[in-house]
Amino acid sequence: SAVISQKPSRDICQRGTSLTIQCQVDSQVTMMFWYRQQPGQSLTLIATANQGSEATYESGFVIDKFPISRPNLTFSTLTVSNMSPEDSSIYLCSVEGPSGYTFGSGTRLTVV
Amino acid sequence: AQTVTQSQPEMSVQEAETVTLSCTYDTSENNYYLFWYKQPPSRQMILVIRQEAYKQQNATENRFSVNFQKAAKSFSLKISDSQLGDTAMYFCAFMPRVYQKVTFGTGTKLQVIP
Repeated sequence: SAVISQKPSRDICQRGTSLTIQCQVDSQVTMMFWYRQQPGQSLTLIATANQGSEATYESGFVIDKFPISRPNLTFSTLTVSNMSPEDSSIYLCSVEGPSGYTFGSGTRLTVV
Repeated sequence: AQTVTQSQPEMSVQEAETVTLSCTYDTSENNYYLFWYKQPPSRQMILVIRQEAYKQQNATENRFSVNFQKAAKSFSLKISDSQLGDTAMYFCAFMPRVYQKVTFGTGTKLQVIP
């Protein structure tokens, strides 16, 4: 299975600012997925990122709030823009593997 | 749309005992994939086991096994000889086909008691 390096692992941010989360994969993958996990909740898909094209966002998520970059087949970033306390969550990236989806270690974001 | 239901928010089991976590799902697909993921306090999502719907044989990975009942749309996880390291949130997940959106259940918090 692919190995994903996700950073930062955690951050505390002021409201109104932005944070960019990075995921680096040790192999080329077609699609990368970004999830949000609110406190005590399950995972919710934010968007699917393909290399060389615009990300596909799920209902309730918009590009202006969560811009995504996918410059090559091993790397992607998710930016959480104009943050508010409601954005406090764990954010995870994921890729499809031969046995199932592999996840990054997650970014715990706290907005104060 | 697919839905995944985990009706047990929390469970506990004595160390070395066996515990079964329940999961049901709803889909109109005939071929699909089911997963159990474990999320310990470190928050890392770890794939525990995977089942392809076209396979009648239940998947097994060491102490972890599933009871896949396709007609009933049920996919339970059995953990044998529970260990303290099994303490975690467990999420059941459904994927209609490869590279498609994965739908997660709400999770079951499992506590293994020494």
